[in-house]
Amino acid sequence: EIVLTQSPATLSLSPGERATLSCRASQSLSSYLAWYQQKPGQAPRLLIYDASNRATGIPARFSGSGSGTDFTLTISSLEPEDFAVYYCQQRSNWLYTFGQGTKLEIK
Amino acid sequence: QVQLVQSGAEVKKPGASVKVSCKASGYTFTGYDINWLRQATGQGLEWMGWMNPNSGNTGYAQKFQGRVTITRDTSISTAYMELSSLRSEDTAVYYCARGVHTNSWYFDPWGQGTLVTVSS
Repeated sequence: EIVLTQSPATLSLSPGERATLSCRASQSLSSYLAWYQQKPGQAPRLLIYDASNRATGIPARFSGSGSGTDFTLTISSLEPEDFAVYYCQQRSNWLYTFGQGTKLEIK
Repeated sequence: QVQLVQSGAEVKKPGASVKVSCKASGYTFTGYDINWLRQATGQGLEWMGWMNPNSGNTGYAQKFQGRVTITRDTSISTAYMELSSLRSEDTAVYYCARGVHTNSWYFDPWGQGTLVTVSS
């Protein structure tokens, strides 16, 4: 089973700042990684697929990069609505796994 | 628009079973896998299993093998997840999600979630 490790666990930033979230895989994923945003009381929402492609309707301030075992989600300039929990996700050998999440909170 | 709408909250006693429904609209139901995931309060996301609505083929995470069954009724574009032998640790929000495959496999969209509470 591939383990995804996200860091940091909590990131405290102010609106307008740049956020950089990391996801590291225990084995190479090529570019087969997705990112989700989850706000309290809501279902997760797809942000990024194939490591770097924004999902429909996702603002351009969200970007994904990386390949192999190291991936990054970047939010270029934080808006108030961006403070949430972010998860990375992969599938291999018919098994889906998620990282434990990064909580992005207002400083 | 593509949408998944789940059934309402459930309260069950330990040892009982629960069946949650997920109605799809806005796309061809048989064209995409349906997955089930869950999230305990304050915890992360856990994938439980998938189903191909066209063939009825299923696959389950090892942790849930023997306890979870995913089925569908294509005439009403609805998938179901039944979890048996419930215990307190099964208390969680259960989500259905459409599986999409490009180069990677991912979930889009998700249902709104169904809270299942297991309590004596």
